[in-house]
Amino acid sequence: EDQVTQSPEALRLQEGESSSLNCSYTVSGLRGLFWYRQDPGKGPEFLFTLYSAGEEKEKERLKATLTKKESFLHITAPKPEDSATYLCAVQGIKAAGNKLTFGGGTRVLVKP
Amino acid sequence: NAGVTQTPKFQVLKTGQSMTLQCAQDMNHNSMYWYRQDPGMGLRLIYYSASEGTTDKGEVPNGYNVSRLNKREFSLRLESAAPSQTSVYFCASSEHPPPYEQYFGPGTRLTVT
Repeated sequence: EDQVTQSPEALRLQEGESSSLNCSYTVSGLRGLFWYRQDPGKGPEFLFTLYSAGEEKEKERLKATLTKKESFLHITAPKPEDSATYLCAVQGIKAAGNKLTFGGGTRVLVKP
Repeated sequence: NAGVTQTPKFQVLKTGQSMTLQCAQDMNHNSMYWYRQDPGMGLRLIYYSASEGTTDKGEVPNGYNVSRLNKREFSLRLESAAPSQTSVYFCASSEHPPPYEQYFGPGTRLTVT
């Protein structure tokens, strides 16, 4: 069974204070690892897909990296508008119906 | 493009009542999904439709039924609502085959009293 664990559960940052979120996963063959951002009262918003170890993707102040056991979402010089819950999900090669398995998320609060 | 739309946004039901949550996507995606999101439980898959004309159970299908009306629309029905079904429901869609990212709707917040 695919499993995803995210840490920390919550993160408080000062504006400009860079940090990293962790996503540890176990999957019997990885098809893809996905990062989403979720604002309160809204649906998850797609950020990145990573397919293989060593891959990196960037979008504005966010950079996602992938190893065989975990992924990191680096937030560089965050701004208050980066405050959100960040969700990690995996899709394994045995995932029925292209099912995604989600972690519990990391709530990020960036204070000005 | 509206992406994935869901109706209603909010709903309150009494135990035993029935209702249908509607979902539509305009991205011409083949696959559609229904998830529920509960505090401490994350997002869990209820049902999915890999393509028009097919539906399958996910992790937590009990108490729910679905209909893939056409390529655009995928509805979720609660036949006899229970307090345990109080949750936020999200519809999502994706291309097929995998591993294409899923795009989510804004959600329906359902309370069953």
